[in-house]
Amino acid sequence: EVQLVESGGGLVQPGRSLRLSCAASGFTFDDYAMHWVRQAPGKGLECVSGISLNGGTTAYADSVKGRFTISRDNAKNSLYLQMNSLREEDTALYYCVKGNDISIWSVFDYWGQGALVTVSS
Amino acid sequence: DRVLTQSPATLSVSPGERVTLSCRASQSIGRHLAWYQQKPGQSPRLLIYGASTRATGIPTRFSGGGSGTEFTLTVTSLQSEDLALYYCQQYDHWPLTFGGGTKVEIK
Repeated sequence: EVQLVESGGGLVQPGRSLRLSCAASGFTFDDYAMHWVRQAPGKGLECVSGISLNGGTTAYADSVKGRFTISRDNAKNSLYLQMNSLREEDTALYYCVKGNDISIWSVFDYWGQGALVTVSS
Repeated sequence: DRVLTQSPATLSVSPGERVTLSCRASQSIGRHLAWYQQKPGQSPRLLIYGASTRATGIPTRFSGGGSGTEFTLTVTSLQSEDLALYYCQQYDHWPLTFGGGTKVEIK
């Protein structure tokens, strides 16, 4: 059974940093691209970032480019999102999502339960 | 960016009815379109990819169609458990984008 478990969310002040982690199990982690998708309270879905199976290709939404960094450790079956210079508009539930392909242009076939990030003073 | 526009925003239907949701892309995305279902308090679930291929375990009452810029998701004989938000998503071009969603309510 595929499992994606996020951690690292919480309340943080504007301008500060936070690092999300995602522990993956139930599939061969280094065979697939991975993504972070967020959902602001009561709002729709936004693809924040994606990373290819070996980490060689990464991509970001314009709203987070230059502030967020996605990475993965295939030896630990883990995905990360380093979030710097956080803004109130980054407040959202952040989902760790498995792609169904090796590239970042993939469908999201499994989702975690999400980690809530609240940016507020 | 490839902008996806979903319509209608809300749909009220009776159980057993046939429902069709629409998703329009601002530029051609071939058949690189997926549909997701999000029930209240839950994570989204993949329903359809490649515009018309059902994901694993998805009931046959869900079907997708279209290509280029016009896509549809059809639910034949809507069940009460189908109450949810439905999102389309394109994976043809980064940034990968979602439509604004269609809320399906049960009358």
